[in-house]
Amino acid sequence: DAKTTQPTSMDCAEGRAANLPCNHSTISGNEYVYWYRQIHSQGPQYIIHGLKNNETNEMASLIITEDRKSSTLILPHATLRDTAVYYCIVLERMTSGSRLTFGEGTQLTVNP
Amino acid sequence: DAGITQSPRHKVTETGTPVTLRCHQTENHRYMYWYRQDPGHGLRLIHYSYGVKDTDKGEVSDGYSVSRSKTEDFLLTLESATSSQTSVYFCATDPRDTYNSPLHFGNGTRLTVT
Repeated sequence: DAKTTQPTSMDCAEGRAANLPCNHSTISGNEYVYWYRQIHSQGPQYIIHGLKNNETNEMASLIITEDRKSSTLILPHATLRDTAVYYCIVLERMTSGSRLTFGEGTQLTVNP
Repeated sequence: DAGITQSPRHKVTETGTPVTLRCHQTENHRYMYWYRQDPGHGLRLIHYSYGVKDTDKGEVSDGYSVSRSKTEDFLLTLESATSSQTSVYFCATDPRDTYNSPLHFGNGTRLTVT
């Protein structure tokens, strides 16, 4: 399994961009990077994913380096409701299922 | 999320008793998963299913069994609960409509074994 490393915690001011880094130096060529977040012990919520191109959706942007060894999740205008644990994950696809290997994630605290 | 319902949401049970957790989905997804979440360990895969009656073990399967008799239901059973199985359990489904479709998670079952 490709492993990921993330900072344990980060702070961000409300209204500013939150940039969450992730290292995945052992990622394979066909493995996607996924980002989830978890708020108050609810189920993990899908945010965005990508292979090698930058991606954007209504929640966030994902920037993946050219060598694919790291990525950054960007929340362009963080709000207090974005306070959560953010997980960067490499999805291992198999014919009999998929494995999401969750690390400890980054606790993002958005401050007023 | 994605029509996933976990039941019960909370349960307290005594050591040595059997416990069954249910995951019900309405999206007709083929693949289903059970994870547990504990402080310091993140989410860890217990068992997963790739079709009716087709299941396989994850990384922390000891002490757990699963069954999938129909597409919409995936049951996780603790035959004889132990205090180390106190945890929050999450079910997830995978639509597999594309190679990179994301997994969807339920809101969890908090199990306490006393």
